Amino acid sequence: SAVISQKPSRDICQRGTSLTIQCQVDSQVTMMFWYRQQPGQSLTLIATANQGSEATYESGFVIDKFPISRPNLTFSTLTVSNMSPEDSSIYLCSVDGTWPSTDTQYFGPGTRLTVL
Amino acid sequence: EDKVVQSPLSLVVHEGDTVTLNCSYEVTNFRSLLWYKQEKKAPTFLFMLTSSGIEKKSGRLSSILDKKELSSILNITATQTGDSAIYLCAVEKTSGSRLTFGEGTQLTVNP
Repeated sequence: SAVISQKPSRDICQRGTSLTIQCQVDSQVTMMFWYRQQPGQSLTLIATANQGSEATYESGFVIDKFPISRPNLTFSTLTVSNMSPEDSSIYLCSVDGTWPSTDTQYFGPGTRLTVL
Repeated sequence: EDKVVQSPLSLVVHEGDTVTLNCSYEVTNFRSLLWYKQEKKAPTFLFMLTSSGIEKKSGRLSSILDKKELSSILNITATQTGDSAIYLCAVEKTSGSRLTFGEGTQLTVNP
């Protein structure tokens, strides 16, 4: 399985600001995903980060609020824009497979975001 | 709409007890069912099940899939306090690799 790191591991932000979360994998992977876990809730997929093209967003999530980049097969960023307290969550990056095959999904250590 | 339902939502047991966690699903183009353990932030992968009736085992944990009943169970025998966590069930579709998660079961093992 791939080794996944996320930065920052946690942050406390003011409402109206933006935060960019980084996800780095130690090997090339086929698929990268961003999930959100609000307090007391399960995981919800925000978007699939596609290498070299725009991310594919799930219903209820839009690019203006959660812009995503994936410049290569080992790295992706998620930005949480114009934050409000409702954005307080754990944000998780996950990967599926080592290029060019797919495998089960593994998760990064997560970023705990608190918006005041 | 795809749906994954876990039960019970929470469970409190004593060390040494055996527990069974349930997961049922309704998804189109089912590919696999996955179990994860979440203690702090990151879910840790436990099992991936694709075939019905074949038990997967890792130490005191085991899991089996029933495609006819659209369900899976996760068993933990001789529970320890370190098993306290949220156990998440997720289903993967053949049309893509996105996962749909259940609400999770919060397991608490008391000494």
